[in-house]
Amino acid sequence: NAGVTQTPKFRILKIGQSMTLQCTQDMNHNYMYWYRQDPGMGLKLIYYSVGAGITDKGEVPNGYNVSRSTTEDFPLRLELAAPSQTSVYFCASNRQGRDTEAFFGQGTRLTVV
Amino acid sequence: GEDVEQSLFLSVREGDSSVINCTYTDSSSTYLYWYKQEPGAGLQLLTYIFSNMDMKQDQRLTVLLNKKDKHLSLRIADTQTGDSAIYFCAERGTNAGKSTFGDGTTLTVKP
Repeated sequence: NAGVTQTPKFRILKIGQSMTLQCTQDMNHNYMYWYRQDPGMGLKLIYYSVGAGITDKGEVPNGYNVSRSTTEDFPLRLELAAPSQTSVYFCASNRQGRDTEAFFGQGTRLTVV
Repeated sequence: GEDVEQSLFLSVREGDSSVINCTYTDSSSTYLYWYKQEPGAGLQLLTYIFSNMDMKQDQRLTVLLNKKDKHLSLRIADTQTGDSAIYFCAERGTNAGKSTFGDGTTLTVKP
């Protein structure tokens, strides 16, 4: 298994540009998440999904959109990039159940200039 | 909502024990987790503990849970320079899917 794969690893965007951060997992996990990690800070949940076709907002959803058309993929869309969205973005997944480990991707470092 | 708090920094000498502390607010938390993040990488699970346990030991790692005080700690025995990383405490409560993470404790191990 490849686990959770995120692309790209790095990206520089200009203010107002759009982009999609890709996330795919091959573990057949129901639950998938997008977090952002600002320097020296913990993880803030942006959006999550409990299964294909179901998404919900986390703590900091403004400026982002997601979709979950398949179990494997959970892309995160930034429509109008702002400097405040400069961060490291992590995608994670776990199977259903409270005792299950969350698996994380390697992260996407996004800079908005 | 749920909240998880940790101290931000800890510095120890190689060979000493490290103790990283965490407090949480969700009384329905059933599982509590410790994750490790090395520079430039994602988080990896170190260990977890079920809320009906007081202690869990796994090689150099000891997790202590005080459910009454909602306090969790991670002890690393014989700390090595390779243990330098950010350690995140996380809880999973009533919502079986979502975890709430603390802000992470940066552990620095000096030779």
